[in-house]
Amino acid sequence: EVQLLESGGGLVQPGGSLRLSCAASGFTFSSYAMNWVRQAPGKGLEWVSSVSGSGDWTSYADSVKGRFTLSRDNSKNTVYLQMNSLRADDTAIYYCVKRGPESGGWGAFDYWGQGTPVTVS
Amino acid sequence: EIVLTQSPATLSLSPGERASLSCRTSQTINSNTLAWYQQKPGQPPRLLMNDASNRATGIPARFSGSGSGTDFTLSISSLETEDFAVYYCQQRNSWPLTFGGGTKVEIK
Repeated sequence: EVQLLESGGGLVQPGGSLRLSCAASGFTFSSYAMNWVRQAPGKGLEWVSSVSGSGDWTSYADSVKGRFTLSRDNSKNTVYLQMNSLRADDTAIYYCVKRGPESGGWGAFDYWGQGTPVTVS
Repeated sequence: EIVLTQSPATLSLSPGERASLSCRTSQTINSNTLAWYQQKPGQPPRLLMNDASNRATGIPARFSGSGSGTDFTLSISSLETEDFAVYYCQQRNSWPLTFGGGTKVEIK
């Protein structure tokens, strides 16, 4: 059974930093791209960042580029989202999401964690 | 950036009725790169359609998808109580990945 367990969320002041972690299990971790998607209170879904299975390629939404860094440790089956220079509009639930097997592990978002809340205030 | 526009914003229907949700993209995309998700309050989204027309594992047959180019549709043939939720389309044709604003299917 695929499981994605996020941690690291919380309350932080504007300009501060947080590091989110996502521990994965139940699949061959290094074979799939991993992602973060966020949802501000009462709003829709926003893709934040993706990392390839090997960890050597990343992509970011313009809204977080230069402030957030996504990485992964395939020996620990864990992805990390380092968030710096946080702003009020970063307040959201952050979901760790696995991509599906289509297109070599770059398919749809097939498994989602329960999310970790981040509040910048 | 590819913008996804979902309509209507809210759909008020009764159990047993058919639902038809629209997703229009600002550019032509490969239908293999359009997915649909369902989200219920307090829960993470759930993948419904891997692409424009293929259901994800375990998704009931009352859900179907169609479309190509810039116009895509998610249909629910006969609404069950558990289907009242918010639905999002999403494209992975090109970066950045983008979602539509969502359609809320509510009980009439």
